[in-house]
Order: sequence, then C-alpha cells, then structure tokens
Amino acid sequence: QQQVKQSPQSLIVQKGGISIINCAYENTAFDYFPWYQQFPGKGPALLIAIRPDVSEKKEGRFTISFNKSAKQFSLHIMDSQPGDSATYFCAASPFNNDMRFGAGTRLTVKP
Amino acid sequence: NAGVTQTPKFQVLKTGQSMTLQCAQDMNHNSMYWYRQDPGMGLRLIYYSASEGTTDKGEVPNGYNVSRLNKREFSLRLESAAPSQTSVYFCASSDFRPEAFFGQGTRLTVV
Repeated sequence: QQQVKQSPQSLIVQKGGISIINCAYENTAFDYFPWYQQFPGKGPALLIAIRPDVSEKKEGRFTISFNKSAKQFSLHIMDSQPGDSATYFCAASPFNNDMRFGAGTRLTVKP
Repeated sequence: NAGVTQTPKFQVLKTGQSMTLQCAQDMNHNSMYWYRQDPGMGLRLIYYSASEGTTDKGEVPNGYNVSRLNKREFSLRLESAAPSQTSVYFCASSDFRPEAFFGQGTRLTVV
C-alpha cells in the first residue's frame, strides 16, 4: 500500500485563486517532506521541501504547512497561474534516502 | 550539463522479451533510484542504490533486477517482460535530501 496518501486526484482552480493539495503519512521514520512538480513529458522536479521541526515553509507563491501530530502536510499555491498547471506529487523520505511518493494531483488553472 | 540521462526514450516489447533500461548521471551523486509511474499510482520505487556497490528493494521490485555499474550508471533489467510492466520508468539521482534529479523517462509498452 502507498505510504503517502495524497488528495485530491485532480483540482481545477481559477487564475488568481489558491490551490491546496493535501498529503498524509503513517511512517514516523519519515523526516523529509518534499513536493515535486511535473509537466507533461518531463520528469518531476523539486518544488519545495520541509523538515518536521518546522510547521510552515514559504517560497514565493508556494507554501508547505506541516502538522507533525496529525502526520499531515499540505501545499498551498497562492495567486495560481495557468503556468502552474502540472501534476504535483508529495513525497516523504526517511534517513536512508528511500523516497516514497503520493499518487499525484493534476492541477489545472483556468485563465 | 546533461544531469540524468535515460535510454531509450521509448520501447515496445513483446511478452517474455528482456531488455535493460540504462541510466547515467553526471552530477557525482551517491544515490540513484528507479521509479515507475502509472496513472493514479504516482511514482513507485522499484530499486534504489544508496551508494556505489549497494542496491536495495523498493516498493515494487518483483520482475526487475538492477546493477549499479559504477558511481555514474544504474541499470534496470526486465528479464521476462509482462503487460503489467507497461509504464513510464524514471531514473533519479540525489546527494542531499530531499532533492532528487529525474531523467526524462522511458515509456515502455509490453504487448
């Protein structure tokens, strides 16, 4: 079974809106939580990442919120743009670099 | 700077045939990975190699073998291809968590 559960599967947002993608995990050995962005025909690329000793990390329009007690983390994309349309994957990694991914969220930002 | 290079980009196999997917990275990374990507399943780890000379099973290793030929190269072999192995295969490398660099992928169809 997947160790990282991601929702929703797909998301449609109007330009300028906020996109929110959620992930949950069970394995308490995970200690790195990255988000990857993938455009069609390309490999995933790192977008932003967080460690569990921090509750929030912001980079430009992208923010990760982390709730260690609930074992949940989320990606917020503020002022969403059509160029943000892509598939987003959350992931989690323990100390040995064995990185596990969620099922992915296909985001469409309508102009 | 090529990053992670995968060959071939596309391949069609008949059931029972064998083939090797090649991956090479030029970033001097210690860790390398093979993932498969299927619709609705996200990226699932097949095998990974934390350093030259070591390999470990991931979530879905059955039907696959790997070889870490040297620090640069990590190959994935399908000994007897099955239709269930139809997928897009990604190789990745990393040194510092959480950033893994992905290749462009190999689209494999088994008929």
